[in-house]
Amino acid sequence: DAGVIQSPRHEVTEMGQEVTLRCKPISGHDYLFWYRQTMMRGLELLIYFNNNVPIDDSGMPEDRFSAKMPNASFSTLKIQPSEPRDSAVYFCASSDDRAYTEAFFGQGTRLTVV
Amino acid sequence: AQSVTQPDIHITVSEGASLELRCNYSYGATPYLFWYVQSPGQGLQLLLKYFSGDTLVQGIKGFEAEFKRSQSSFNLRKPSVHWSDAAEYFCAVGPSFSGGYNKLIFGAGTRLAVHP
Repeated sequence: DAGVIQSPRHEVTEMGQEVTLRCKPISGHDYLFWYRQTMMRGLELLIYFNNNVPIDDSGMPEDRFSAKMPNASFSTLKIQPSEPRDSAVYFCASSDDRAYTEAFFGQGTRLTVV
Repeated sequence: AQSVTQPDIHITVSEGASLELRCNYSYGATPYLFWYVQSPGQGLQLLLKYFSGDTLVQGIKGFEAEFKRSQSSFNLRKPSVHWSDAAEYFCAVGPSFSGGYNKLIFGAGTRLAVHP
């Protein structure tokens, strides 16, 4: 398996524009996680899915953020409208349901909102 | 409140020297504990994890960590650092239910620099 695949790797957009980040988890993994990394706040869990169903979105910062998982092999994180303070690296991770397994992270999407 | 503290933001060591990165956690239940490494521009890679049993766990790249329940600590160690170990290291805790243990709380990270 190629691992968790995120696209794009880098995104530069203007304030007010819609941004969509994409993630393809490892095949067979039941869980998918979206994290955000900033200098000020470190790594934060935004939302996670189990079997394509959102389980906990308490980390989503505000209504401008939304995430979907239409099927087991694809998830999106959308920001609309984007703001400069959304600039960060967004990581997607996935894991299976076996005991004692860990999450595997993608390489991240570096988002810059100007 | 659940939290992870990595007291050292930056650490510099000489190549060949020993290394210890500190991690303390506050968690209401029995946690699962992890150390991840992040090289520049890369995602996070798991170094090692602790769930139960032997409190000294071995990981990849010659790293080990020791879980000390009495001190709420999970410090990462390496006896001899290589220049390629320069990276940022994250300690994380997660809840002990299936799958949920990857709902991780991360520390702020420790950036390691290695002098030749």
